[in-house]
Amino acid sequence: EPEVTQTPSHQVTQMGQEVILRCVPISNHLYFYWYRQILGQKVEFLVSFYNNEISEKSEIFDDQFSVERPDGSNFTLKIRSTKLEDSAMYFCASSGAGGGGLNTEAFFGQGTRLTVV
Amino acid sequence: AQSVAQPEDQVNVAEGNPLTVKCTYSVSGNPYLFWYVQYPNRGLQFLLKYITGDNLVKGSYGFEAEFNKSQTSFHLKKPSALVSDSALYFCAVRFYFNKFYFGSGTKLNVKP
Repeated sequence: EPEVTQTPSHQVTQMGQEVILRCVPISNHLYFYWYRQILGQKVEFLVSFYNNEISEKSEIFDDQFSVERPDGSNFTLKIRSTKLEDSAMYFCASSGAGGGGLNTEAFFGQGTRLTVV
Repeated sequence: AQSVAQPEDQVNVAEGNPLTVKCTYSVSGNPYLFWYVQYPNRGLQFLLKYITGDNLVKGSYGFEAEFNKSQTSFHLKKPSALVSDSALYFCAVRFYFNKFYFGSGTKLNVKP
């Protein structure tokens, strides 16, 4: 069964450093997302990506964040200068385009636990 | 504004008893509704969805959900709970081609 894969599973970084979280979405999917979850609590939307551009972003997704789909398979989230409050579990998700796109569920990766020290 | 609410932070149920995890939504237009489950230190797993048609939809692991348009609800149900059902459950709604809005999550505790 196809799945979304994320690497690394755990990343520890010093405050102020740049991190790149990597994701390989399901191959025929067209919509890509990053979400984050702090301490097993609410799942917060960061950004959605479609047709090689950001389609929506939240207020959390400020200038320190960026996303890229560099090669048609990978989907990356970059945090330029990490803060302590960026510590969270980051989930990548993708969904297909069947039935006009709305009726397809999102498939989530296992997450990257980011710890900023 | 579109939103989804899970009014209970936690639901406790004894094994073998029926369970219900509540979800209500506020949308303009027709909603596309989803339930996900999250086990500790894992990603979100898709359980079931309502798009159109029958109000009662069936999903994975014996779960089902009932769509009620007049009450704007999409409650998750299971006739007989298992201890292994203990997890965090999220209701979500999707609009157009954009994001999935998630509820705040409900922790389900099934006791032996």
